[in-house]
Amino acid sequence: DTGVSQDPRHKITKRGQNVTFRCDPISEHNRLYWYRQTLGQGPEFLTYFQNEAQLEKSRLLSDRFSAERPKGSFSTLEIQRTEQGDSAMYLCASSLATGTVYGYTFGSGTRLTVV
Amino acid sequence: AQTVTQSQPEMSVQEAETVTLSCTYDTSENNYYLFWYKQPPSRQMILVIRQEAYKQQNATENRFSVNFQKAAKSFSLKISDSQLGDTAMYFCAFMKPFSGTYKYIFGTGTRLKVLA
Repeated sequence: DTGVSQDPRHKITKRGQNVTFRCDPISEHNRLYWYRQTLGQGPEFLTYFQNEAQLEKSRLLSDRFSAERPKGSFSTLEIQRTEQGDSAMYLCASSLATGTVYGYTFGSGTRLTVV
Repeated sequence: AQTVTQSQPEMSVQEAETVTLSCTYDTSENNYYLFWYKQPPSRQMILVIRQEAYKQQNATENRFSVNFQKAAKSFSLKISDSQLGDTAMYFCAFMKPFSGTYKYIFGTGTRLKVLA
């Protein structure tokens, strides 16, 4: 197992465009998390899936953001009509439900730059 | 609501020496977990050490140990025999178990540079 994979690593987009990021968790992990990390800040929780069900969304996740995890495998995070304030590192992480208190496995992140 | 504070934005230490990174948190919970994560430049965040709040004994992992002071709500990380590979951002994180989500509240991080 190669760990949590995120694609792309970097994305530069023009303001107003839509972008989609992908996360492939560790295959047996049923929990999947998205966090956002801006410069000088720690990661902030965006949303959480258990299997295919999206069970919690942060208030940071505006209507322009949507996340899916079809079939409980990979997940996508889409941002519509991007704004400069969306520029950040988007981190994906996964864990087993029985092991979450032991920590997550994080991916390397997707760095989004909106110009 | 829980908050996590890391008051040292940057620190440096000579190779082979010891350094302590500070973290304080605020919560009304009695049962929770605390973590230190390391984020090397352009690489993924990895778990360094974790502490269960109901355990009085401080956690240790090889060169890494914590000083957990529950009453003071303090959770510092000590790195002994610092190595160049320890250069990274270090994040302190709080997790409330049995909340359903098991999400982290992170601090703002401390950038540690180990000098040769």
